[in-house]
Amino acid sequence: AQKVTQAQTEISVVEKEDVTLDCVYETRDTTYYLFWYKQPPSGELVFLIRRNSFDEQNEISGRYSWNFQKSTSSFNFTITASQVVDSAVYFCALSNFGNEKLTFGTGTRLTIIP
Amino acid sequence: DTGVSQDPRHKITKRGQNVTFRCDPISEHNRLYWYRQTLGQGPEFLTYFQNEAQLEKSRLLSDRFSAERPKGSFSTLEIQRTEQGDSAMYLCASSLRRLADTQYFGPGTRLTVL
Repeated sequence: AQKVTQAQTEISVVEKEDVTLDCVYETRDTTYYLFWYKQPPSGELVFLIRRNSFDEQNEISGRYSWNFQKSTSSFNFTITASQVVDSAVYFCALSNFGNEKLTFGTGTRLTIIP
Repeated sequence: DTGVSQDPRHKITKRGQNVTFRCDPISEHNRLYWYRQTLGQGPEFLTYFQNEAQLEKSRLLSDRFSAERPKGSFSTLEIQRTEQGDSAMYLCASSLRRLADTQYFGPGTRLTVL
């Protein structure tokens, strides 16, 4: 069985602050894939990043960065210098090798206060 | 627009009626997925197709639900004898066949059963 836990239900920060969204996963497979999606108020899930279990390098894309740590089964997402447009629900998801369906966490609602 | 499209975007129906949703994937994508998302939750996997073959169905997909992808292009999801518990956002996603290739989501169909 696989599971994704996003313990932070809601986070509010003032614009320009940095914010980290936590994701903890459970899987018995040694080969798996982790994803982050953004769901703005319009409702459409927008892909942000994919990581495979053999690549523990952290990644930075503009104001976004991701910290993957297999030792703690975590794949955290940091937004630097947050902006109002970052307000959305963010989902972490997991899929296993050979079974491509995504298992999602319950999401973290991020509100950036102007 | 070359993304995943879904029709209709909203559907209101009375309990006991049948409804059908359509999903058009990204043109070169041969995998197509259906998920269901209820309020405050992450999307849950329902079923997926590789070309026209339905490869997996979740136990969430009761016998009132049926999905087809007759020519390996668009897909339909039908719910017969709708119940109030079927009220949710129905999301479609598509991907290439490569293992764990990224799933790109459509805007969803929001179903309300009165």
